[in-house]
Amino acid sequence: GAGVSQSPSNKVTEKGKDVELRCDPISGHTALYWYRQSLGQGLEFLIYFQGNSAPDKSGLPSDRFSAERTGGSVSTLTIQRTQQEDSAVYLCASSLRTGGEEPQHFGDGTRLSIL
Amino acid sequence: AQSVTQLGSHVSVSEGALVLLRCNYSSSVPPYLFWYVQYPNQGLQLLLKYTTGATLVKGINGFEAEFKKSETSFHLTKPSAHMSDAAEYFCAVSVAGGTSYGKLTFGQGTILTVHP
Repeated sequence: GAGVSQSPSNKVTEKGKDVELRCDPISGHTALYWYRQSLGQGLEFLIYFQGNSAPDKSGLPSDRFSAERTGGSVSTLTIQRTQQEDSAVYLCASSLRTGGEEPQHFGDGTRLSIL
Repeated sequence: AQSVTQLGSHVSVSEGALVLLRCNYSSSVPPYLFWYVQYPNQGLQLLLKYTTGATLVKGINGFEAEFKKSETSFHLTKPSAHMSDAAEYFCAVSVAGGTSYGKLTFGQGTILTVHP
């Protein structure tokens, strides 16, 4: 079946603008994760969802970042008032359920560039 | 908290040579360990995982890894490198329980170059 789908694949925007990144997980996967990949910081965990709930938001770098998930499916990561340090690749992953042993399946990411 | 250290940010081998990518982890509870591969402009693809049971795990594309608890290591190997193995490889750890259930903590990545 289809894998994890992310859109847009690339996004260029001006500093101070808001952006929305979308993730469509594998059908039937209840767990959804967001990570950020940047040159300086490597791969960092941002937030995860179990169903529509986000038990762990500890990785969100500031209150400009928020995320939601609706219908236990699609998730949106929103960054308000973007800054240049937000430039990175944002990766979404899903797994059948939460539990450390479940492998996560990744999308191809959204490459975000802040001018 | 968990952490992962990958020794060597760049590894270069000749085609047909042994591939060895090193990973050491730190975890206060039994870990689950993963290796992922990333090709340019793509997401991460699972190579293999260790959860419980047999400590030598085999993955896709001829890769395997051995969990050594005493050495807190999970090194990735492949007997004979192929040009198509050139990519970046990430070791990752997760644990069960707690508020970060299933969250992956990644190493810094190792870029593998394969020479003809």
